[in-house]
Amino acid sequence: DGGITQSPKYLFRKEGQNVTLSCEQNLNHDAMYWYRQDPGQGLRLIYYSQIVNDFQKGDIAEGYSVSREKKESFPLTVTSAQKNPTAFYLCASSTSSVSEQFFGPGTRLTVL
Amino acid sequence: QQPVQSPQAVILREGEDAVINCSSSKALYSVHWYRQKHGEAPVFLMILLKGGEQKGHEKISASFNEKKQQSSLYLTASQLSYSGTYFCGTEPGYSTLTFGKGTMLLVSP
Repeated sequence: DGGITQSPKYLFRKEGQNVTLSCEQNLNHDAMYWYRQDPGQGLRLIYYSQIVNDFQKGDIAEGYSVSREKKESFPLTVTSAQKNPTAFYLCASSTSSVSEQFFGPGTRLTVL
Repeated sequence: QQPVQSPQAVILREGEDAVINCSSSKALYSVHWYRQKHGEAPVFLMILLKGGEQKGHEKISASFNEKKQQSSLYLTASQLSYSGTYFCGTEPGYSTLTFGKGTMLLVSP
């Protein structure tokens, strides 16, 4: 079964801690994306990668970091510099920017 | 800049029709439509490209007015399963998608 997976589904973090969210896809897609979703705000782009070993900042990249060492994997680290990290995080992949994006099930991060 | 969606929310009875609009201040190359149910991932509905090409589900229809930088999603004979939040994503042809804030749709029996 081809698809995109995210783990964990729920994550709790203490203030001041870094945390890494996993995103894996077996769709052979070149492009991968991280979005943040807050109530009433839609999906906001954090980072994206169109090819292995290359990635670009999205609209709200401050306080986040990513890596793209493998085509299948695009982990997101939420650092302690992110002032308000509690949100629903969605990972997506696509063959190109004009093709449909396939979304993972999401990770809900709560900072205690 | 985020595209503007209207209405923000709509309530329908099963079988009624609805139109959701998406408007951008930038020239567009493509418009994407997704539906998200509460707590779940967004699901692709349709892509509309400059020049008239469309890709998507057969039961969904939409329009794209390139000159007005607007797109509309048409939901006809609504079913309970149509309930959710609808997002449009716009793309100018050289960048990534920018999503609107969403339109909540509730279909009641």
